[in-house]
Amino acid sequence: AQSVTQLDSHVSVSEGTPVLLRCNYSSSYSPSLFWYVQHPNKGLQLLLKYTSAATLVKGINGFEAEFKKSETSFHLTKPSAHMSDAAEYFCVTYNNNDMRFGAGTRLTVKP
Amino acid sequence: NAGVMQNPRHLVRRRGQEARLRCSPMKGHSHVYWYRQLPEEGLKFMVYLQKENIIDESGMPKERFSAEFPKEGPSILRIQQVVRGDSAAYFCASSPQTGKTDTQYFGPGTRLTVL
Repeated sequence: AQSVTQLDSHVSVSEGTPVLLRCNYSSSYSPSLFWYVQHPNKGLQLLLKYTSAATLVKGINGFEAEFKKSETSFHLTKPSAHMSDAAEYFCVTYNNNDMRFGAGTRLTVKP
Repeated sequence: NAGVMQNPRHLVRRRGQEARLRCSPMKGHSHVYWYRQLPEEGLKFMVYLQKENIIDESGMPKERFSAEFPKEGPSILRIQQVVRGDSAAYFCASSPQTGKTDTQYFGPGTRLTVL
């Protein structure tokens, strides 16, 4: 069985400082991994995905994530937070039509 | 190309009524997935459908919930005799028909409130 654990339910950063949202995964197979973002009262938007190609994945809006098999991690980072980044972020694992979501991390960006 | 569309965006029902949630996948997509998001929780898979077929309904509650994806028209998630615990956001996602892909495109969701 596969699963993801988002280590922080809430992260707060100041505008212009780095963002780190942590995700660990558990899977018997080589999973596909995703990060989705959900702005208030909106649907989910795909930020980036990893599918066993390059371990460093670049996404939209300046986000990137690094797949580390030895640590079973897929943390999401951004060098400099913007106010518009405030949202809920979901780490997701996918294998054979089985998609599992983490509980989400709420990112707050302070001016 | 319009994205995944869901309607209504907000739905209010009293206990015991029926709720019907509609999902129109992206053009060219014949795979539809339904998810439920309870307050303060991540999304939970409910059901996966292709045109006229239910492929995986392992996440669907055993009673009161049903889903269909007819040959023509949107996919429908139907909840009979709603209870307060059904209050949640219900998201639909779709993926393309051609080839195996694991990217799902999500709609804006339907927020169901049961009074």
